[in-house]
Amino acid sequence: DGGITQSPKYLFRKEGQNVTLSCEQNLNHDAMYWYRQDPGQGLRLIYYSQIVNDFQKGDIAEGYSVSREKKESFPLTVTSAQKNPTAFYLCASRMGQGHEQYFGPGTRLTVT
Amino acid sequence: AQSVSQHNHHVILSEAASLELGCNYSYGGTVNLFWYVQYPGQHLQLLLKYFSGDPLVKGIKGFEAEFIKSKFSFNLRKPSVQWSDTAEYFCAVNGMFSGGYNKLIFGAGTRLAVHP
Repeated sequence: DGGITQSPKYLFRKEGQNVTLSCEQNLNHDAMYWYRQDPGQGLRLIYYSQIVNDFQKGDIAEGYSVSREKKESFPLTVTSAQKNPTAFYLCASRMGQGHEQYFGPGTRLTVT
Repeated sequence: AQSVSQHNHHVILSEAASLELGCNYSYGGTVNLFWYVQYPGQHLQLLLKYFSGDPLVKGIKGFEAEFIKSKFSFNLRKPSVQWSDTAEYFCAVNGMFSGGYNKLIFGAGTRLAVHP
């Protein structure tokens, strides 16, 4: 089955700890994205990557970091510098220009 | 700044009622337009998309949307909703925005509740 997997589905962390969210796709898509979803705010772009070893900040990149060492993987690290990390995080990928984005099932992160 | 506005945050309908969800965007360049749906506990999935051609686009599950360029709008419609349409709906715009990178910008979403 082709698709995007995110793990884990639920994640709990203590304040001050960094945490890495996994995103893997086997769709052979070049572009990958991380979004954050908060109630009433839609999806906001954190980081995106058009190709391997390249990524750009989105609209709310502060307190987050990413890497893109492999085409199929785009992990997101939520650092202790992120002031309000509790949210639902969605990963997406896209084949290229002229195509829609496909979304993973999401990871719900709770930081206490 | 580029933005997408969805006029209704919560909509409550009875089964068989007609649905129209508003979406307006602010961007003067060439855009691709999307409606995504998120059913309870499920992935965000594509309902329909507009890239070019006929501005009236038909999607899955009986949904359609009309792109009106002069109004910067891409409203979603369904003539007769079902209980299973209960979900959150997101309008999104894809364009070559600042920095030269292609980005997808989402509206805040509309929660639709359909009562039997």
